[in-house]
Amino acid sequence: EAGVAQSPRYKIIEKRQSVAFWCNPISGHATLYWYQQILGQGPKLLIQFQNNGVVDDSQLPKDRFSAERLKGVDSTLKIQPAKLEDSAVYLCASSPNGDAGTEAFFGQGTRLTVV
Amino acid sequence: AQTVTQSQPEMSVQEAETVTLSCTYDTSESDYYLFWYKQPPSRQMILVIRQEAYKQQNATENRFSVNFQKAAKSFSLKISDSQLGDAAMYFCAWGMTGTASKLTFGTGTRLQVTL
Repeated sequence: EAGVAQSPRYKIIEKRQSVAFWCNPISGHATLYWYQQILGQGPKLLIQFQNNGVVDDSQLPKDRFSAERLKGVDSTLKIQPAKLEDSAVYLCASSPNGDAGTEAFFGQGTRLTVV
Repeated sequence: AQTVTQSQPEMSVQEAETVTLSCTYDTSESDYYLFWYKQPPSRQMILVIRQEAYKQQNATENRFSVNFQKAAKSFSLKISDSQLGDAAMYFCAWGMTGTASKLTFGTGTRLQVTL
């Protein structure tokens, strides 16, 4: 079974530029998560989708971050314009139904460096 | 808001020995899950073990076991017969029961395994 796929693995951009990350979850998984992991910290949830609807985006900086999950499958996370403090690893995860007791499967993340 | 605290930034253990990683959490909820995730240098988070709060019996998975103290809000991970492949960042996480649950992570403990 294929895992959660993310691209790119690494990205370096200048501040004020825009960037987009892509995630393809495990086939059949209804729930998709985007987490931000700043160096030295644990992952923090940015947004959670159930199929193509947003369940939780309370910690998403909506003035610069946006995310979509068209057709309830793959997802794109965008930052525009990027700030230095956005440097982090962006992890995508998926689970069958979003229940806390169900294992969430993570991708390998995208490491973003903003200079 | 829920918080998860890991007070040990780094731990070291000799191969074949036993090590315990500490985690405390704060919540007013009564029904939830607790997790330990492993993050190797590849950055992919891997579920190690999961505990349901309403179960008094401590979870075990092969060489990994937990000591869950609900009243004390403590959730430690014991790794027995440590192997070189156990070297990684370990994150403790909390998730509320339900289909719209997100994970709240601690700051992690880096485990080194020496010969």
